[in-house]
Amino acid sequence: GAGVSQSPSNKVTEKGKDVELRCDPISGHTALYWYRQRLGQGLEFLIYFQGNSAPDKSGLPSDRFSAERTGESVSTLTIQRTQQEDSAVYLCASSFLLGTGELFFGEGSRLTVL
Amino acid sequence: SQQGEEDPQALSIQEGENATMNCSYKTSINNLQWYRQNSGRGLVHLILIRSNEREKHSGRLRVTLDTSKKSSSLLITASRAADTASYFCATDAQMSGGSNYKLTFGKGTLLTVNP
Repeated sequence: GAGVSQSPSNKVTEKGKDVELRCDPISGHTALYWYRQRLGQGLEFLIYFQGNSAPDKSGLPSDRFSAERTGESVSTLTIQRTQQEDSAVYLCASSFLLGTGELFFGEGSRLTVL
Repeated sequence: SQQGEEDPQALSIQEGENATMNCSYKTSINNLQWYRQNSGRGLVHLILIRSNEREKHSGRLRVTLDTSKKSSSLLITASRAADTASYFCATDAQMSGGSNYKLTFGKGTLLTVNP
């Protein structure tokens, strides 16, 4: 596709359940980011993938959070045993990275944990 | 922790007025970017300014960068109701042990332009 695609756009789940969020970056973009945005707040960095390098996981808030990316394609963010404080919009972005450059964002996945 | 911090947190102006938002950051950067977010949507890139640049223009946008003060400003001239959105600055930071960089965002300024 032409842009970054995220799915699902909305997810409502019960506390304790696992959820998986998907991101399809722009073709050819080597860098992929996941951010979390709570209501009315800024973007909180979660994890960063750059090509075949080891990802930077420094922003993952707990071991319930994990993410994978196969090569330079799709990424999935998994949250295990969801808690109410996990409720947020999860934003994915990709860039064709030479140093740093413009990020292209998806529309986000809104997660609500009841 | 947040690298960039915008102020004010909220700004309300009348259509036609200019809007100025500021961003301060803590560590040395390679570049600084400004993004816009309409309510409930993804972010859209507005402008990038490199650390060796002091001012950049794009349409009604003007960005300044003062690396000595570790601050940047975004000026929107002749604002329109459609400019209503949240505006975020983003700064890069070198990742430990490598030459890669990641972008970290501030908390944003909510701009409301009243018709």
